Amino acid sequence: EVQLLESGGGLQQPGGSLRLSCAASGFTFSLYAMTWVRQAPGKGLEWVGGISNSGDREYYADSVKGRFTISRDNFKNTLYLQMNDVRVEDTAVYYCLKGGLLSQFDYWGQGTLVTVSS
Amino acid sequence: QPVVTQEPSLTVSPGGTVTLTCGSNTGAVTGGHFPYWFQQKPGQVPRTVIHDVDRKLSWTPARFSGSLLGGKAALTLSGAQPEDEADYFCLLLYGDSWVFGGGTRLTVL
Repeated sequence: EVQLLESGGGLQQPGGSLRLSCAASGFTFSLYAMTWVRQAPGKGLEWVGGISNSGDREYYADSVKGRFTISRDNFKNTLYLQMNDVRVEDTAVYYCLKGGLLSQFDYWGQGTLVTVSS
Repeated sequence: QPVVTQEPSLTVSPGGTVTLTCGSNTGAVTGGHFPYWFQQKPGQVPRTVIHDVDRKLSWTPARFSGSLLGGKAALTLSGAQPEDEADYFCLLLYGDSWVFGGGTRLTVL
């Protein structure tokens, strides 16, 4: 059974940093691209970015480019989202998804809530 | 930045048929946009129902189908059930970036 479990969310002040993790199980993690999607409270979905299966290519939405970094550890079966210089508008539930370019988005994690507020 | 458009809301009668659409301000939606459809029920995690225009996942009910229609991606629900009431989001690929539509709130009433 595929499982994606996000962690690391919480309250952070504007300008601060957070690192989200997504622990994957139930599939061969190193074979699949992975993606982060977020959803602000009461709003729609927003693609944040993705990473290739090997980790050699990363892709970002303009809204986070230069502030967020996606990485992965294929030995630990874990996806990361390093969030720097966070802003109030980054407040959202962050979901990790299995898939990306060249592989379908199929499974979603349960999400982790990030709140940016002073 | 491309803009993906969806109907804000639609209503369908139980047992009825409804089509949700997904358009792009850059022109016609094609298979090269690899259209996706996601369903999100209140308080739940979104789930993927259609990928690559019309491909279903193992959990996608047969009453859902995807297509390209009039320059847009389309999700057709035939024989709507009360449990299909949800928000539906489409997703399109532009180069190496993905863009979601704003979502359609589907009411089954």
